[in-house]
Amino acid sequence: DSGVTQTPKHLITATGQRVTLRCSPRSGDLSVYWYQQSLDQGLQFLIQYYNGEERAKGNILERFSAQQFPDLHSELNLSSLELGDSALYFCASSPRGHRVVDEQFFGPGTRLTVL
Amino acid sequence: AQSVAQPEDQVNVAEGNPLTVKCTYSVSGNPYLFWYVQYPNRGLQFLLKYITGDNLVKGSYGFEAEFNKSQTSFHLKKPSALVSDSALYFCAVRDMDSGNTPLVFGKGTRLSVIA
Repeated sequence: DSGVTQTPKHLITATGQRVTLRCSPRSGDLSVYWYQQSLDQGLQFLIQYYNGEERAKGNILERFSAQQFPDLHSELNLSSLELGDSALYFCASSPRGHRVVDEQFFGPGTRLTVL
Repeated sequence: AQSVAQPEDQVNVAEGNPLTVKCTYSVSGNPYLFWYVQYPNRGLQFLLKYITGDNLVKGSYGFEAEFNKSQTSFHLKKPSALVSDSALYFCAVRDMDSGNTPLVFGKGTRLSVIA
């Protein structure tokens, strides 16, 4: 158990809908990262937050947004969902955001299925 | 830009034999290198990392990896494979000289250890 929690575990929804994925980092970790894992694209970095502020942005679509709250939990919002958004979404955390040597601790993921 | 290549989608090895999972990287500066493992229906788990110093890095579960700067490689190795090592393995790189760039992951190599 990495100490990172994600809810829900599974999510099934329809095209055009909006969903929110939630992540609680390990106690004391200030950075939260979101990744999308699909069979054809592998593990893609979406976005990083450090202590409430956006720190780095990857291949995140404009339909997706995220935020980190004062208690350091984070939410990833996915809107106008398309079939191609079906994937595993992982959250990871690390103690710091600017220290490149920190390894990341991954949550169990949320499996999103868009029908 | 930084990138990682894992040239083998699948590696099969007999239990008790040595295993190698290959990784090559490309960065403009000096690399931070990581190996992660993903078991079915789980998030990624950190195995080991190279930051600087000794080219041979030892990690969890008896795994080790050798950093080779001239060949830009960071192959994962284990002297004697176990059936329980069967999983998906990811190599990741971060350019230590390019600010707050995120980790870039390879597409993963599926290791199958046969009893």
